[in-house]
Amino acid sequence: DSGVTQTPKHLITATGQRVTLRCSPRSGDLSVYWYQQSLDQGLQFLIQYYNGEERAKGNILERFSAQQFPDLHSELNLSSLELGDSALYFCASSVGGGAPYGYTFGSGTRLTVV
Amino acid sequence: ILNVEQSPQSLHVQEGDSTNFTCSFPSSNFYALHWYRWETAKSPEALFVMTLNGDEKKKGRISATLNTKEGYSYLYIKGSQPEDSATYLCAFKPTDSWGKLQFGAGTQVVVTP
Repeated sequence: DSGVTQTPKHLITATGQRVTLRCSPRSGDLSVYWYQQSLDQGLQFLIQYYNGEERAKGNILERFSAQQFPDLHSELNLSSLELGDSALYFCASSVGGGAPYGYTFGSGTRLTVV
Repeated sequence: ILNVEQSPQSLHVQEGDSTNFTCSFPSSNFYALHWYRWETAKSPEALFVMTLNGDEKKKGRISATLNTKEGYSYLYIKGSQPEDSATYLCAFKPTDSWGKLQFGAGTQVVVTP
């Protein structure tokens, strides 16, 4: 157990639907990052929050949104889902910007859009 | 767009042999270079965070070196064991990105007994 908790582990949903992925960071970590890994693609950065505020944004679609709550857990909302959104979504956390220990990753949420 | 490249994409190693592979990253605006090990059905696990040119880090039989001037890092596995089988990811953090890491596609290592 890495200390980063992601739920659910698996999600199957239909096109056009909306889902919410949840992440609880490791105790003491203030930064939360969301990454997407699609088939044959590396980890693609989506968005970062630090202590409740958005800090950096990657190639996140407008249909996707995220937030970090006062208790530091984060949610990634994916709406109007398309088949191409099927992927493994990772949450990671760190104390600050990642040094000196790097990120701690959760086990991921496998999203399948049918 | 920043480019982090890893080579080779995959390699097969006999148990007991040593191996190494490369991560290339932009040499400008360097802040840090991370290495992660990602075993099948698990989540990526941090191995090293390297910040200084000439840095060398070691963890058991795995070590890494860093050359920020030319933009590359090597990861070495000495005396490979089957449990070293994993995908090894490197990730680059430039100075102008607050925490955001740019990951390479990884080098998949398979160690056969």
